[in-house]
Amino acid sequence: QQPVQSPQAVILREGEDAVINCSSSKALYSVHWYRQKHGEAPVFLMILLKGGEQKGHDKISASFNEKKQQSSLYLTASQLSYSGTYFCGTAGYTGNQFYFGTGTSLTVIP
Amino acid sequence: DAGVIQSPRHEVTEMGQEVTLRCKPISGHDYLFWYRQTMMRGLELLIYFNNNVPIDDSGMPEDRFSAKMPNASFSTLKIQPSEPRDSAVYFCASSRDTNTGELFFGEGSRLTVL
Repeated sequence: QQPVQSPQAVILREGEDAVINCSSSKALYSVHWYRQKHGEAPVFLMILLKGGEQKGHDKISASFNEKKQQSSLYLTASQLSYSGTYFCGTAGYTGNQFYFGTGTSLTVIP
Repeated sequence: DAGVIQSPRHEVTEMGQEVTLRCKPISGHDYLFWYRQTMMRGLELLIYFNNNVPIDDSGMPEDRFSAKMPNASFSTLKIQPSEPRDSAVYFCASSRDTNTGELFFGEGSRLTVL
């Protein structure tokens, strides 16, 4: 049930770009993305509702390929504040069960 | 509006003791979720409620775990008896509808079972 994310961890220098992938074995109605800082609760970044939809949020954007049951999060020109663990979250077509992905640890260094 | 409120923030107990975690969701949110987070397993969905009714408890690890939602503004997660492997951060989250809207998380309850 749990979506699989890749990579598990990534280290970037400030200004570099990164892509985080999320893949589900079940049909998806929507995909969420969250960021969690150490010792804190996950914080919502964005939701994608339609297959093929892309959304942007400052320098963070995402895409959702409904047919492939995949989503990707794009972080461009990374900043130190981007450090944290990123989770995708998925809602299927049956019920409101909401499962989080395996997580990707992102560290941005100066 | 106040966010999701969880208590206690930290709990240290001894193996065999009963543990009760509490959650007050955001008013107007029909869905309430309990998650457990550990390094090994990440964020696991334990159970979720819709309009105070438990819909899916397939993630509850054992009979030692139980959850209730007696009304729209209060939920509990109980572990009886507790074991060291239950040590984790337990998050409560609420939402109007996860298909179209975000989950709002409480600050979490960090449980340590000695």
